[in-house]
Amino acid sequence: DIQVTQSPSSLSASKGDRVTITCRTSQSIGTNLNWYQQIPGKAPELLIYGASHLQSGVPSRFSGSGSGSNFTLTVSSLEPEDFATYYCQQSYGNYWTFGQGTNVETK
Amino acid sequence: QLQLQESGPRLVKPSDALSLTCTVSGGSTRSSSYYWGWVRQPPGKGLEWIGNVDYSGTTYYTPSLKSRVIISLDTAREQFSLKLTSVTAADTAVYFCATPTGIGAYDVWGPGTMVTVSA
Repeated sequence: DIQVTQSPSSLSASKGDRVTITCRTSQSIGTNLNWYQQIPGKAPELLIYGASHLQSGVPSRFSGSGSGSNFTLTVSSLEPEDFATYYCQQSYGNYWTFGQGTNVETK
Repeated sequence: QLQLQESGPRLVKPSDALSLTCTVSGGSTRSSSYYWGWVRQPPGKGLEWIGNVDYSGTTYYTPSLKSRVIISLDTAREQFSLKLTSVTAADTAVYFCATPTGIGAYDVWGPGTMVTVSA
């Protein structure tokens, strides 16, 4: 099965900061990589699918890039509602895997 | 608008089976464009993919749970279900049902249901 390594596991940032989270997979998955945001007590919400496609309704400050086995989620300027946990997920083939998550907290 | 809602017992005894149902509204489980999936999250931990079932009933499970899990589809009731056998305290988690509506990512989620395994 495909392993997904997400980093960092946590980071501290301030409003307005640019934040980058990375995901690496154990084999090449093309662009079959998705990003989710989760607020405590809530279901995850899809931000980015297919590595770089912004889900409808998601603010344009979120962007995704990468292909093969290296991927990045960037938040260009953090807003208060962006302090949350972020997960990547590979959906290559029929067996999917989540990354370990990145907790973005207030500095 | 497609919506999902989990239901089932909140408390399960060790060694018993955990059974949950996800009811689909605003869409059809017969759609060939969709998978129907389950994800879980132990308290304070990350998301774990459990598996998917497609419109034909074909299932795909994470290897670590494959021997204990069954996901099934009931198109007549517009539901899909999760059964996890021989549970232990390690199976205590919030269980989410979710579906990728044709884009290869879970874009619709149920609110989740907390299941505790305890005697």
